[in-house]
Amino acid sequence: DQQVKQNSPSLSVQEGRISILNCDYTNSMFDYFLWYKKYPAEGPTFLISISSIKDKNEDGRFTVFLNKSAKHLSLHIVPSQPGDSAVYFCAASRRRGDMRFGAGTRLTVKP
Amino acid sequence: GAGVSQTPSNKVTEKGKYVELRCDPISGHTALYWYRQSLGQGPEFLIYFQGTGAADDSGLPNDRFFAVRPEGSVSTLKIQRTERGDSAVYLCASSPSGAITGELFFGEGSRLTVL
Repeated sequence: DQQVKQNSPSLSVQEGRISILNCDYTNSMFDYFLWYKKYPAEGPTFLISISSIKDKNEDGRFTVFLNKSAKHLSLHIVPSQPGDSAVYFCAASRRRGDMRFGAGTRLTVKP
Repeated sequence: GAGVSQTPSNKVTEKGKYVELRCDPISGHTALYWYRQSLGQGPEFLIYFQGTGAADDSGLPNDRFFAVRPEGSVSTLKIQRTERGDSAVYLCASSPSGAITGELFFGEGSRLTVL
C-alpha cells in the first residue's frame, strides 16, 4: 500500500528560482517526516526532517512545510542550484521505527 | 569504512537459485533496515531490526525472503528460489537507535538481476 505519495515524477526549474517538491501521506500515525536526496548509483542521503509537532523547519536553502490536517508536506529549495539536480524522496516514520518512502521526484535545475 | 557497506554490489543469478546479500552497518548503530528499490520507484520497506531481533518484518513480500542479524551488527538478506520479479536494488540502512527522530544512513545497494 502506498502510504507516502509523490505525485510528480519530475520537476524542472531554472537556476536561482524556487523548487517546490510535494508529498502526501495517508497514515495519520506518522509523526516524523524526512526528505532524502539521491544521486545515481548512490544510496539516498538525508536532507532535512520535521516532527509532527512543527509546521516548518528551515536549514539554509531548504525548508520543509508540514500541513497535518491535509496530510501534506513540501520541500522548498531557494535559490535552486544545478548541483541540486537529483531524485528527492519523501519519507515518513512512526514510533515503531519503520520508515516508508514515496516514489521520488526527479529535480532538474537548469543553468 | 565509516559508512554502511553492502556486498555484493552486483549479483546476477538464474531463476530458482538462492541468493544472500550482506549488510555491514555503521559501527554502534543498533537499528538496521532493508529496503528494495525497483526502477522508477522509491525504497520499499522490507524489514527492520533493533539489535538482533526483527522489530518489524511486515514488508517481506513472501516466505522466500528471510533476514538475520545474529550478533546485532552484520545482517544477511536471504532470498530462496529467486524469481525474475525479485530483480531490484536492495538497500540497507542503519541508524543509531531507530528512534523516530533518527535519520537513516544508506549503503550504495546491491543490484540483483534474476535471469
